[in-house]
Amino acid sequence: QITLKESGPTVVKPTQTLTLTCTVSGFSLNTRGGGVGWVRQPPGKALEFLALIYWDDDERYSPSLESRLTITQDTSKNQVFLTVTNLDPVDTATYYCARLGNNDGTVYNWFDPWGQGTLVTVSS
Amino acid sequence: DIVMTQSPDSLAVSVGERATINCKSSQSVLYSSSNKNFLAWYQQKPGQPPKLLISWASTRESGVPDRFSGSGSGTDFTLTISDLQADDVAVYYCQQYYSTRITFGQGTRLEIK
Repeated sequence: QITLKESGPTVVKPTQTLTLTCTVSGFSLNTRGGGVGWVRQPPGKALEFLALIYWDDDERYSPSLESRLTITQDTSKNQVFLTVTNLDPVDTATYYCARLGNNDGTVYNWFDPWGQGTLVTVSS
Repeated sequence: DIVMTQSPDSLAVSVGERATINCKSSQSVLYSSSNKNFLAWYQQKPGQPPKLLISWASTRESGVPDRFSGSGSGTDFTLTISDLQADDVAVYYCQQYYSTRITFGQGTRLEIK
């Protein structure tokens, strides 16, 4: 069974840096054709793609947030990390990690399954 | 970026009836070499993470009831839910993965009338 679980601080102050961890099980992060992405959802609002990382450490970012995001992975620990710098109250959201899709051994950028998400509140 | 626009923003349908949700992309998400549409649909129930329903615009994921169907090509897509059940109450999102600049629609809230 494939599962993902997000962890990190629940409250951070404006201007601070947030680091979230996604711990995966049931698959290996360095298996060819795999990857993990991060998506966030402000309360009552829509989903927003943030970043993704493939099995070979290739990364992709949302253009609007790229300057503030860093995604990395530690395959030995089955963990993917997302760092968001210079936080603002508008960054308050539930942050999800999810496995990227795979079709016949090729990775595609849909998300399945998702973790339960972690709510991060940015407030002084 | 490819902008995904869903319509309507919300709809209410009676149990047993059909619900239709539309998704329009600002540019084609049809990859000509494979003739595949890089379009996914998700269902998000209250308090839960999204769940993948459909990939490639019309391929249902394992375990998804056949009441859910996806159609369309190029820039215009539809998610149809037949024989609506009370358990289908959720927000539905489309997502394009044609570009690595992944984008979602704004969501359509489905309620029971």
